[in-house]
Amino acid sequence: AQSVTQLGSHVSVSEGALVLLRCNYSSSVPPYLFWYVQYPNQGLQLLLKYTSAATLVKGINGFEAEFKKSETSFHLTKPSAHMSDAAEYFCAVSDRGRVRAQKLVFGQGTRLTINP
Amino acid sequence: DAGVIQSPRHEVTEMGQEVTLRCKPISGHNSLFWYRQTMMRGLELLIYFNNNVPIDDSGMPEDRFSAKMPNASFSTLKIQPSEPRDSAVYFCASSLRADPLSYNEQFFGPGTRLTVL
Repeated sequence: AQSVTQLGSHVSVSEGALVLLRCNYSSSVPPYLFWYVQYPNQGLQLLLKYTSAATLVKGINGFEAEFKKSETSFHLTKPSAHMSDAAEYFCAVSDRGRVRAQKLVFGQGTRLTINP
Repeated sequence: DAGVIQSPRHEVTEMGQEVTLRCKPISGHNSLFWYRQTMMRGLELLIYFNNNVPIDDSGMPEDRFSAKMPNASFSTLKIQPSEPRDSAVYFCASSLRADPLSYNEQFFGPGTRLTVL
């Protein structure tokens, strides 16, 4: 079964500093991988997704993630944190394929705090 | 364009009562998903529909939970009877399954926060 592990339930960085949120997946074949963001009292919003051969994926709000098959990782980064980035971030995985691609399995989430 | 609409946004009920959560997907979307979010278990997929037909309900916790999608613009998640351990945020999401061989982005509603006393 697919699974993802997010290292660190809480990450705190200073405004302007690098943001690095870690995600490792478990899969026998390259899956689809995603990062979602959840702001307080809101639903999840897709930040970016990996579904093709391009291993470096750029998303919204200046975020990007790199798929590394050898490390089974899909870490999320942003060069310079902004106060508005404070939220909870979820890594998710799904199988490729006609039906299974619809089933997302989420990590436990990482709460990002930005210090002024 | 309106996003996914869920109602109510908050529900407080007593143990043993029936609870019905409602979802209106984005117009034109043909897939609908129900998720549950708790501190202990994180975000879990409960059930999803394609073209109003339930495809996978393996995430439904037990027989107390049921979901229906009578038409393309409405779905319900019912808990009967409710228990305190059902307290959670329930999300509905929808997507346009235009290409079944590719991933189709899911758009999430704001959620319903359920508290069972």
